[in-house]
Amino acid sequence: EIQLQESGPGLVKPSQSLSLTCSVTGYTITSGYDWSWIRKFPGNKMEWMGYISNSGSTNYNPSLKIRISITRDTSKNQFFLQLNSVTTEDTATYYCARSNPGYWYFDFWGPGTMVTVSS
Amino acid sequence: AIVLNQSPSSIVASQGEKVTITCRASSSISSNYLHWYQQKPGAFPKLVIYSTSYRASGIPSRFSGSGSGTSYSFTISRVEAEDVATYYCQQGSSNPLTFGSGTKLEIK
Repeated sequence: EIQLQESGPGLVKPSQSLSLTCSVTGYTITSGYDWSWIRKFPGNKMEWMGYISNSGSTNYNPSLKIRISITRDTSKNQFFLQLNSVTTEDTATYYCARSNPGYWYFDFWGPGTMVTVSS
Repeated sequence: AIVLNQSPSSIVASQGEKVTITCRASSSISSNYLHWYQQKPGAFPKLVIYSTSYRASGIPSRFSGSGSGTSYSFTISRVEAEDVATYYCQQGSSNPLTFGSGTKLEIK
């Protein structure tokens, strides 16, 4: 069974960087799917942040492009999110998810991790 | 970016009632790239319908989807208490991938 699990700090100070890890079990991240970060803001708005492909290339939401980096460690079957220069507007629940690279839907999700940006 | 206008924002329905949610895109989308999710309180989003009309694994037949171009719909033929959730449409046609604003379904 494919499982994803986010981990990382629940509280980040403004202007600092947010770093999260997604650990994947039951599927190898170098196989034929891509791996996304998605967030849900208070009030229910959902935003796709970007993905890292099974080959290691990345694609980011243009609204975040100067602040975001998604990387991976294939030996640990993990991928990572770094979001720089955070503000209170980055307070959200962050999800990692598997992306179908053909039709771009998300078929497996982690449970999500709440990140609050506050001093 | 393609904007998805989802309506209504909330629905209150009785068990056994039919409910329909509409998702209108700001630009035409191939039906292969329009998908629907269910998010129950405290849980992660769950894929319900992909590519407009295909039910994801394990999804009951009371859930269905249709549409083309810029207009898509999601229907629950007979609502059950366990269907209480927020439902989202999502497009995978162009970057950035975007979501609708969500429809909250409650039971009377």
